[in-house]
Amino acid sequence: QSVLTQPPSVSAAPGQKVTISCSGSSSNIGNNHVSWYQQLPGTAPKLLIYDNHNRPSGIPDRFSGSKSGTSATLGITGLQTGDEADYYCGTWDSSLSAGVFGGGTKLTVL
Amino acid sequence: QVQLVESGGGVVQPGGSLRLSCAASGFTFSSYAMHWVRQAPGKGLEWVAFIRYDGNNKYYADSVRGRFTISRDNSKNTLYLQMNSLRAEDTAVYYCAKDLSSTWYEGSDYWGQGTLVTVSS
Repeated sequence: QSVLTQPPSVSAAPGQKVTISCSGSSSNIGNNHVSWYQQLPGTAPKLLIYDNHNRPSGIPDRFSGSKSGTSATLGITGLQTGDEADYYCGTWDSSLSAGVFGGGTKLTVL
Repeated sequence: QVQLVESGGGVVQPGGSLRLSCAASGFTFSSYAMHWVRQAPGKGLEWVAFIRYDGNNKYYADSVRGRFTISRDNSKNTLYLQMNSLRAEDTAVYYCAKDLSSTWYEGSDYWGQGTLVTVSS
């Protein structure tokens, strides 16, 4: 059971928008920065969002992040078949003194 | 360009030990915190350990505390994970990852390709 809760799967049609939620608590999301990762099949994770809403250079603005209270959300617009991947949220948990990830969300672009 | 190359994975019997290494290049290794993250076959990401840029602060997941030790040699640009008392549930691909920060968890902007550890008799 992951400390951060994500939906196991989401799906949408090409060109549409999807959001992926990540729910935590005051000891993790509520008081620490959230990052989001994309993992394509058979590859290492790739950073999409850091500090809740910032994109590293090279990440298109189709990807966005937000945080409110103890929840965070990843948004992806203009879906492409190449976006099919597993997506993970991550942050620090101050009570555990440990890093934590969500269980991951599999995105299917129909 | 930034490169992280893990090595040292393999097959080990339960109760055995392995030491993973992560060779870093393309950035000032001594200025950044580092992580180990693992992924069991078909499962999600699991954070394992964190070490500050100077090696002075280390943190571990409950599942590995007391059995695994993270360390670094800034003169060799190398991160290590010493794994003792290995269990079947430690079977996973182990990734090293660079943090955006020198002292705290801000997110990992670069990841290695991973090295597979299989614990089996």
